[in-house]
Amino acid sequence: GAVVSQHPSWVICKSGTSVKIECRSLDFQATTMFWYRQFPKQSLMLMATSNEGSKATYEQGVEKDKFLINHASLTLSTLTVTSAHPEDSSFYICSSVGDYPYNEQFFGPGTRLTVL
Amino acid sequence: GQQLNQSPQSMFIQEGEDVSMNCTSSSIFNTWLWYKQDPGEGPVLLIALYKAGELTSNGRLTAQFGITRKDSFLNISASIPSDVGIYFCAGYTGNQFYFGTGTSLTVIP
Repeated sequence: GAVVSQHPSWVICKSGTSVKIECRSLDFQATTMFWYRQFPKQSLMLMATSNEGSKATYEQGVEKDKFLINHASLTLSTLTVTSAHPEDSSFYICSSVGDYPYNEQFFGPGTRLTVL
Repeated sequence: GQQLNQSPQSMFIQEGEDVSMNCTSSSIFNTWLWYKQDPGEGPVLLIALYKAGELTSNGRLTAQFGITRKDSFLNISASIPSDVGIYFCAGYTGNQFYFGTGTSLTVIP
């Protein structure tokens, strides 16, 4: 399967700071990337869908000004959590789909964000 | 968004036992995917199913794409301790992916 990396894997920050998470597809071109948030012992919650070169599509209830997504190339998407607060602490996971087959998602290893 | 109905929610089994879990939906999917997630890591794709009725194996894992295209099951035979984790199903409609609520599997040595 395709390889997706995420960086950093773990970040602790002070309340009010911004944190950037990178998602890279290492061995294929990802036309579409997804960003998920996961709370302990819960399923994946889709936050937004990003397509290379266009604005991300956010799910209902997700603040686009707080969770900034950029998908500037076919191998890199970034999620920036702006002015982070303790309630933003969570496990953030990205995934990618390639051109073919388009119907498989490959996930990154996740980023654990803790906001103090 | 919509989530698939996945059951059971959790399972506690003895090592060596077989395991079965399933997902159902009111929507028709053209792809079913099964993932395993270990603590603190991202989900890893186990099996992908593309056609109604398809039965696919990956080692001790077997999954089937339901004939109605609204359900799928995953079986694990002769479970071992490293099978511990959370298993998610996912369905793809052609436009969107939907995820199950997860099955937490505990294998008792």
